[in-house]
Amino acid sequence: EVQLVESGGDLVQPGGSLTLSCAGSGFTLNNYEMNWVRQAPGKGLEWISYISSGGSTKYYADSVKGRFSISRDNGKNSLYLQMNSLRAEDTAVYYCARNWQFFDHWGQGTLVTVSS
Amino acid sequence: SYELTQSPSVSVSPGQTASITCSGNKLGDKYACWYQQRPGQSPVLVIYHNNKRPSGIPERFSGSNSGNTATLTISGTQAMDEADYYCQAWDSSTYVVFGGGTRLTVL
Repeated sequence: EVQLVESGGDLVQPGGSLTLSCAGSGFTLNNYEMNWVRQAPGKGLEWISYISSGGSTKYYADSVKGRFSISRDNGKNSLYLQMNSLRAEDTAVYYCARNWQFFDHWGQGTLVTVSS
Repeated sequence: SYELTQSPSVSVSPGQTASITCSGNKLGDKYACWYQQRPGQSPVLVIYHNNKRPSGIPERFSGSNSGNTATLTISGTQAMDEADYYCQAWDSSTYVVFGGGTRLTVL
């Protein structure tokens, strides 16, 4: 069974940093393109970042470009999101999602709260 | 930037057909997909590539995409189908775009 499990969400002050992780199981993560998608409380879904299967190609939404960095460790079947210069509007549940063009599997999400 | 528009809410009686629409400029030229998100849960892919159902998704879910509108149709709607539904398209310049979501209420 394909599973994605996010971790690392926390309460952080504005301007702070945080790293999220996503562990994959039941499939070989290095065969797949991966993404991060977030959902602010009571709001819709927002795609924020993509990484190719080999890790050489990365895309970011304008809302996080220059502040967030996506990476992967295929040896550990894991995906990461380094978040810097966090703002109140980054408060959301962050999901990792598999594939590109459409997302066929999602994790359960991890909550990031940016507040003083 | 590319935008997708969905009606905020749709209501349907049990056993009836629900249609949820998603509009965007020349959306029919792109692949559209749909996600179901029940309260407190992660999104689940229910339609991809306009009209294909992933394994495990009931046959009552179907999709179409033409012109400026993609449509998710749920035939014989059940109480368990009550959820938020999001359309999504992929564009070569803006990459992934989601619609704002439609809350389906089964009355």
